[in-house]
Amino acid sequence: LAKTTQPISMDSYEGQEVNITCSHNNIATNDYITWYQQFPSQGPRFIIQGYKTKVTNEVASLFIPADRKSSTLSLPRVSLSDTAVYYCLVRRDFGNEKLTFGTGTRLTIIP
Amino acid sequence: SAVISQKPSRDICQRGTSLTIQCQVDSQVTMMFWYRQQPGQSLTLIATANQGSEATYESGFVIDKFPISRPNLTFSTLTVSNMSPEDSSIYLCSVEAPGQGYDYGYTFGSGTRLTVV
Repeated sequence: LAKTTQPISMDSYEGQEVNITCSHNNIATNDYITWYQQFPSQGPRFIIQGYKTKVTNEVASLFIPADRKSSTLSLPRVSLSDTAVYYCLVRRDFGNEKLTFGTGTRLTIIP
Repeated sequence: SAVISQKPSRDICQRGTSLTIQCQVDSQVTMMFWYRQQPGQSLTLIATANQGSEATYESGFVIDKFPISRPNLTFSTLTVSNMSPEDSSIYLCSVEAPGQGYDYGYTFGSGTRLTVV
C-alpha cells in the first residue's frame, strides 16, 4: 500500500477552517483515501473516505485532485473539541483489509 | 457501525506475568484486528484474527508472545505474555462491520492501557 506523508502537527484558532494535506504519491488504482480521528484515551474514529474529486459529510470534506497523489481533509469552523490526532490512510477497495497508520497530524485548537 | 466492548480498559501488571485482553463485538464479523499503540506513537498492527483459523501476525510480532484466540464471530482475545516494561502500550481491537461497505470505515475499541512495572 502507498505510504502517506502528512504534517506532524498543526495549530489553529477556534472558528477557522482547517485543511490538513496528505501526500500518497504511490497510490494504486484500487486504493481509497480514508481519514481517522483519535482523541486521547480513545480508539481512532472514522471520519471520511473518498476515491476522487470531493466528498462531504456532516463532519468534514475531503478533496482529492485528479492525479490522486494527495488529498486534503477540511474541517469547517473548528472548535476546541476538534483537538485530536488525524490520520490519513490508503486502503484497498475491498473489505477486511488491514489498515496501515502513518504518523498522523496532531491538531491543536487554540481558544 | 459495529459496537466494540474491550476489557480491561487499563491494568498495571508485574513483569513476567501475562494479561489477556477481551474484545466483544455486537455483530458477527469475519476478521478482527489487533493493534498496539506505544506512548505518543501511531498504531501498529499486531495480527489479524480470522474465525476458525490461526491468526496472521505482522513482522516483529510472534504467536508465543501475543497468542490470539477467536472462538466465534463476535469475540477475540489477545494475550500479552511474559510481559516486560517495553510492552507498556495501548492495545486496541478493530473490525469492519459487515454490510456497512466502505463508507463507514473500521470501528475501534476504546483500548486497553497496559502498564508493566
